Amino acid sequence: QKEVEQDPGPLSVPEGAIVSLNCTYSNSAFQYFMWYRQYSRKGPELLMYTYSSGNKEDGRFTAQVDKSSKYISLFIRDSQPSDSATYLCAMRRGSYIPTFGRGTSLIVHP
Amino acid sequence: DADVTQTPRNRITKTGKRIMLECSQTKGHDRMYWYRQDPGLGLRLIYYSFDVKDINKGEISDGYSVSRQAQAKFSLSLESAIPNQTALYFCATSGPTGGRTDTQYFGPGTRLTVL
Repeated sequence: QKEVEQDPGPLSVPEGAIVSLNCTYSNSAFQYFMWYRQYSRKGPELLMYTYSSGNKEDGRFTAQVDKSSKYISLFIRDSQPSDSATYLCAMRRGSYIPTFGRGTSLIVHP
Repeated sequence: DADVTQTPRNRITKTGKRIMLECSQTKGHDRMYWYRQDPGLGLRLIYYSFDVKDINKGEISDGYSVSRQAQAKFSLSLESAIPNQTALYFCATSGPTGGRTDTQYFGPGTRLTVL
């Protein structure tokens, strides 16, 4: 079992839908949780960064961490075709190098 | 200007050739990393460096070597390229632990094809 599990998709939704992207993990020591967005033929870019459990909101994006369930989510409201990309979760403990999920491909069609 | 740059952006080479991928950053970060990305396998860490005198192997370092020429420069070499090293290669940097900059910032990637 990988330390971080992420469904590769693709996840296809109509424009305007609420999107839910998820990762599960096995290492209870993880403290910092990130979401990266990667457009085709580009490098991953940091989208959300959270510490410990709880929610964090940034515009149309909400990151949620449930440490008791070892489960993190990224919600995208009012999804747009420009949100079509691969979303990677990442997490780490302390100053260790992050562990990445394999990424979920999201397609938002007009 | 981009904070993390990689050269070349695309490269086609033949089996057995030596090839170097270069990474430069203007973010002032001490920590630098090399990853490869393959479809279905996600990002895998090849090497990382926490400062100029520090080099560490990642999970898939066999067949690769690195050089940290300066704080801002970190090069990846394939000593004798083989076809299963065909992949997308990313350089990344991160700042000191404890702040938002301790997350990783990625370059645009180098698409390498080994024939």
